[in-house]
Amino acid sequence: DAGVIQSPRHEVTEMGQEVTLRCKPISGHDYLFWYRQTMMRGLELLIYFNNNVPIDDSGMPEDRFSAKMPNASFSTLKIQPSEPRDSAVYFCASSVQGGYGYTFGSGTRLTVV
Amino acid sequence: RKEVEQDPGPFNVPEGATVAFNCTYSNSASQSFFWYRQDCRKEPKLLMSVYSSGNEDGRFTAQLNRASQYISLLIRDSKLSDSATYLCVVNMHTGTASKLTFGTGTRLQVTL
Repeated sequence: DAGVIQSPRHEVTEMGQEVTLRCKPISGHDYLFWYRQTMMRGLELLIYFNNNVPIDDSGMPEDRFSAKMPNASFSTLKIQPSEPRDSAVYFCASSVQGGYGYTFGSGTRLTVV
Repeated sequence: RKEVEQDPGPFNVPEGATVAFNCTYSNSASQSFFWYRQDCRKEPKLLMSVYSSGNEDGRFTAQLNRASQYISLLIRDSKLSDSATYLCVVNMHTGTASKLTFGTGTRLQVTL
């Protein structure tokens, strides 16, 4: 298995632009998580899905952030409009049974200038 | 108060030393516990689960004290390759929901 695949690896965008991050979970994993990591706040859970259904989006910072999981093999995290304070590494992770050994993707390093 | 608290370090130790990391968690309903390792500019990876009875994996020993809401990780005979950030992780189940909460990590630097 190729593991959790995220794209792009790096994204530099201008403030106000729309950013879309993509994630392909491990086949057979029924939970998918989006995390954001910064030096100041560490890893923060933004949203997670179980069987493609959003379960908890209380970590999504504001309405500029949205996430979808149209099928078991694909999820997106969208920021519109982006702001400099959104600069961070965004990780996607998947697991079976939600919490017993997450597998993380390599992350997307987002810089908003 | 943060849900999971760790000393950020860095811990600078010579090769061969024994080093211990501690972590406290605030939610007594937390049900499972882990240590993850994160190398610089890489993703976190599961190092080991933590059980109430304590568990060992080679040079690594993890302990859980539920009464004190305290988790520890001991690394014996440190290697240069152990240099990384160690993340204390807590899982709380609520009904069908389950999610991991990460501490901000403790950085370890092992030197010659």
